[in-house]
Amino acid sequence: AQSVAQPEDQVNVAEGNPLTVKCTYSVSGNPYLFWYVQYPNRGLQFLLKYITGDNLVKGSYGFEAEFNKSQTSFHLKKPSALVSDSALYFCAVSPRVGSARQLTFGSGTQLTVLP
Amino acid sequence: DGGITQSPKYLFRKEGQNVTLSCEQNLNHDAMYWYRQDPGQGLRLIYYSQIVNDFQKGDIAEGYSVSREKKESFPLTVTSAQKNPTAFYLCASSRTVVGGEQFFGPGTRLTVL
Repeated sequence: AQSVAQPEDQVNVAEGNPLTVKCTYSVSGNPYLFWYVQYPNRGLQFLLKYITGDNLVKGSYGFEAEFNKSQTSFHLKKPSALVSDSALYFCAVSPRVGSARQLTFGSGTQLTVLP
Repeated sequence: DGGITQSPKYLFRKEGQNVTLSCEQNLNHDAMYWYRQDPGQGLRLIYYSQIVNDFQKGDIAEGYSVSREKKESFPLTVTSAQKNPTAFYLCASSRTVVGGEQFFGPGTRLTVL
């Protein structure tokens, strides 16, 4: 069965500084990988996904993520954080083959960008 | 205006009552999903459906039931058998189950008194 780990429940960063939200995964074979963001009392919004190809994936709102197969990681990054980036971030994984190909989500990381 | 709607936004029910949460999408997506979100636990899959008149149990299906009579609609019933139903419920849809990004509704917060 696939699993996702987001090792940090909370990440704090100053506005204008780079941010990283960490994600590692376990899945059989090559994965599909996703990042979503959730604002308070709202549904999740899709940020970006890795399907194949370039290991650096660019997404919405200036976010990007780097797929590292050897480290089974898919960390979310942004060069310069904004206060409005403060939200709950979820990493998700799905295997490409097999009977259980629905998404499995991590437990989430609360990002706070300090002004 | 395409998207997913969930109603109601807030729902209060007495213990022992069944309650049905609505989810409608006009994105023409084949796949639909129900998740439960509890603090610190992320999202857990309750049920999903790949096509009309077909659905599969997720990781925490006990105490829940669904139907998929129309492509646009995927209602979730929280039955009295669900031991701890108070939670935030999210509906989502995607073009396909495999590899497709999911689009989420705004959620329904269910409180059982």
